[in-house]
Formats: sequence, structure tokens, C-alpha cells
Amino acid sequence: DIVLTQTPLSSPVTLGQPASISCRSSQSLVDSDGNTYLSWLQQRPGQPPRLLIYKISNRFSGVPDRFVGSGAGTDFTLKISRVEPEDVGVYYCMQATQLPLTFGGGTKVEI
Amino acid sequence: QVQLVQSGAEVKKPGASVKVSCKASGYTFTDYDINWVRQATGQGLEWMGWLNPKSGNTGYSQKFQGRVTMTWDTSIRTAYMELTNLRSEDTAVYYCARGYTTIRACDYWGQGTLVTVSS
Repeated sequence: DIVLTQTPLSSPVTLGQPASISCRSSQSLVDSDGNTYLSWLQQRPGQPPRLLIYKISNRFSGVPDRFVGSGAGTDFTLKISRVEPEDVGVYYCMQATQLPLTFGGGTKVEI
Repeated sequence: QVQLVQSGAEVKKPGASVKVSCKASGYTFTDYDINWVRQATGQGLEWMGWLNPKSGNTGYSQKFQGRVTMTWDTSIRTAYMELTNLRSEDTAVYYCARGYTTIRACDYWGQGTLVTVSS
């Protein structure tokens, strides 16, 4: 199974300041079709996960442009340009290049 | 709008089975996969398996093979996940999530169903 390792585990942030989360994969996430199926999810307290980013850098419908995904191969990053109060929660990376789907351990973003 | 509405919380004894439902609306049910993901309290996300209502295919995580069955009823746009031989470690919130095949991402999620296994 592909292992996704997220750092940091916890990220204290200041409102209006940037935040960055790293996700490293145990093997390349480039699929045979040339796409890289790495997505980012946000889980606010008491809520189900919500899709933010798919295929490394594509924002899902309704996601603010302060969320930016980047990376390639085995190393990926989610950046929040200016943290807002509603950004508090746990962020997960997820890979769907290979079954089983796997998730990173999560990064808690807190003010 | 796309919605996935799951059945209510369950309390089960060790060794029993549980069947969680996930009713879809706002899209063509057979055009997307349904994934099942669980989350123990305070823990991360764990993928259990998927089903494709159009092809009839299912796929399960090896961890749950033999204990999980995923089914669906297209006529009522509902997917089901049944887990048997429950143990205390199965206590978790179980989510269904729509799988958008083209982008291979879980784009919409149900509200979650808490399953508690306790004697």
C-alpha cells in the first residue's frame, strides 16, 4: 500500500498569515495515464471531510483561491495564503493512483 | 445539489453485524462510484472499499475482505455497507463519499454514521 506522510502534525497559525502542509508519498503517484491523483481534504470540527484540491493543484467547486496545491511525483504541498477563522480543522492528503486509496495522517491547523 | 444522506447511529454488540445506508440525490446515481471510509474517534481516515453502480464492480480493502459487503439499489439511489463480526475496534464514524472517476477524488461526502460496538 502507498503510505502518505504529512508534516507537520499540528500547525499553530496566526490569522491572516500563511500556512503550509507537506505530504510525502512512499512511491510516485504518477499514474500510467500520466495523471497524478493526489487530492487534499479539509475536515472542520464535527464535520465530514470536504474536497479542496484534486489532481495536485485543481481547486474544487467553491473552494477559495487562498488554497493552493502544488508538487509532483512523491512530494506535495498545500498552502493557505492567508488563514481565515473558518480554516481551522484537520487537513488530509489522499492518493487514488493505486488501490487501496490511502490518506495521510492529517495535519491540524489551529489558531 | 448533490447530497448523500446516511442512516442513523447504531449500537451493536461484539460479533454482530451492521448495515449502513447512503441515499444519493442531485445527480445520476449510476454515473459515479461510492466509496466507504471510516474514522475512529480522534483518528484519521481509512478507506474500506468502493462500488460502481453502473458496472456492478466492487473492491474492498484487504483489511476488511471477508467481513465487508457493499451493495446498492439503483431504484432508490441507495448504497449500503455491511460489516460483520464486529469488534470494539470497529467503533467509528462511517462515511460514504461519491467517487468522481475522471478526477479520482471523493468530491461529496455523507454526514457520517456513528457505529458503536460495545458489550
